[in-house]
Amino acid sequence: DTGVSQDPRHKITKRGQNVTFRCDPISEHNRLYWYRQTLGQGPEFLTYFQNEAQLEKSRLLSDRFSAERPKGSFSTLEIQRTEQGDSAMYLCASSLDRGEAFFGQGTRLTVV
Amino acid sequence: KNEVEQSPQNLTAQEGEFITINCSYSVGISALHWLQQHPGGGIVSLFMLSSGKKKHGRLIATINIQEKHSSLHITASHPRDSAVYICAVPLISSGSARQLTFGSGTQLTVLP
Repeated sequence: DTGVSQDPRHKITKRGQNVTFRCDPISEHNRLYWYRQTLGQGPEFLTYFQNEAQLEKSRLLSDRFSAERPKGSFSTLEIQRTEQGDSAMYLCASSLDRGEAFFGQGTRLTVV
Repeated sequence: KNEVEQSPQNLTAQEGEFITINCSYSVGISALHWLQQHPGGGIVSLFMLSSGKKKHGRLIATINIQEKHSSLHITASHPRDSAVYICAVPLISSGSARQLTFGSGTQLTVLP
């Protein structure tokens, strides 16, 4: 499968714990995006990488959130000291420059 | 003010009916995306279009750049078309990068 893959698909964690998600984009895609989607809403932009450079961060990305793309390939999104309000679907997408974006299956986070 | 608005929010149709979902946006864009999201979260890109009309199987997408409006049509709808359909546009952010801003989605249910 050469699409965008995300791991894990589901994560249940206790409030206050740290979690890390991984996204593997399509191999030749230089742009990688993270989005968050809460129930009944469309996805909201979190952050964006061009190669290894993080070029944009939404105000939604509080200081408990950090994202990296160290070698310009896979990316990780870490949430520290999780809160119940962090429960959402976290989506990753990649594209080649301004071309069509391809999405992963998402990671569903439940904070209990 | 929502920058991307979809209508209707919910749509129930009988199998075989012609479906139309509308999307309006408030700023100039280079292209618009129509996406499909099934239960479980994964998003599939259906169309990316910047003018005119595109057709793929029973799906047709049209866009009017001057009127800032796009429609997604499904001909001969089938229960397997039941999903959330989302339109998304790349909006200019504060920097030079662009990211997708999503509508809240249209939940389509096609009954047999």
